Amino acid sequence: DVKVTQSSRYLVKRTGEKVFLECVQDMDHENMFWYRQDPGLGLRLIYFSYDVKMKEKGDIPEGYSVSREKKERFSLILESASTNQTSMYLCASSFASGSTDTQYFGPGTRLTVL
Amino acid sequence: AQTVTQSQPEMSVQEAETVTLSCTYDTSENNYYLFWYKQPPSRQMILVIRQEAYKQQNATENRFSVNFQKAAKSFSLKISDSQLGDTAMYFCAFMKHYITGTASKLTFGTGTRLQVTL
Repeated sequence: DVKVTQSSRYLVKRTGEKVFLECVQDMDHENMFWYRQDPGLGLRLIYFSYDVKMKEKGDIPEGYSVSREKKERFSLILESASTNQTSMYLCASSFASGSTDTQYFGPGTRLTVL
Repeated sequence: AQTVTQSQPEMSVQEAETVTLSCTYDTSENNYYLFWYKQPPSRQMILVIRQEAYKQQNATENRFSVNFQKAAKSFSLKISDSQLGDTAMYFCAFMKHYITGTASKLTFGTGTRLQVTL
């Protein structure tokens, strides 16, 4: 079974803090993704990575950065957290094989910024 | 850019009945994939079913089937013999055909919350 884990299920931070969200996958997937999920908006892609140290912006990258130093780990960084970044954050991973390019999701981190 | 529309924010169905969730999408691509994902309350998002656009035959996975109408850009999900465990948020998603040198991205709809009742 594919396993995607995220470092925290719930996180509470204060405005201005630097926040790290960690994601680890155990299936040697090339691709990893960070989404945020908000009611009525569905899932929106923040950043993704298709190889170690390679990253691309998604649809809503403002206020976020990412790091991928190892293939199995993809970190989302909020340099200075703001209240409008309160959300559910989902990590996903997939093979880079086209026809089997299904994304597998982690359990999510519910972040509250006070 | 692709867009995915789910026009039913919430739906309810009785146990053992059949329910259909709607999804439409907009794209100029000819080769792509469509997905339905399920997110149970406080649980992980999981893949329910996927459809390749080049396949005319509708995908089926046990009690879950799709009605894929390529010309109409419609991709509905039918759940037969609904069970309490089907209670979840359901997301429709679109993916362009794989391109080398980058990752294939998913574009999601806003979701339909399905409640299965006794």
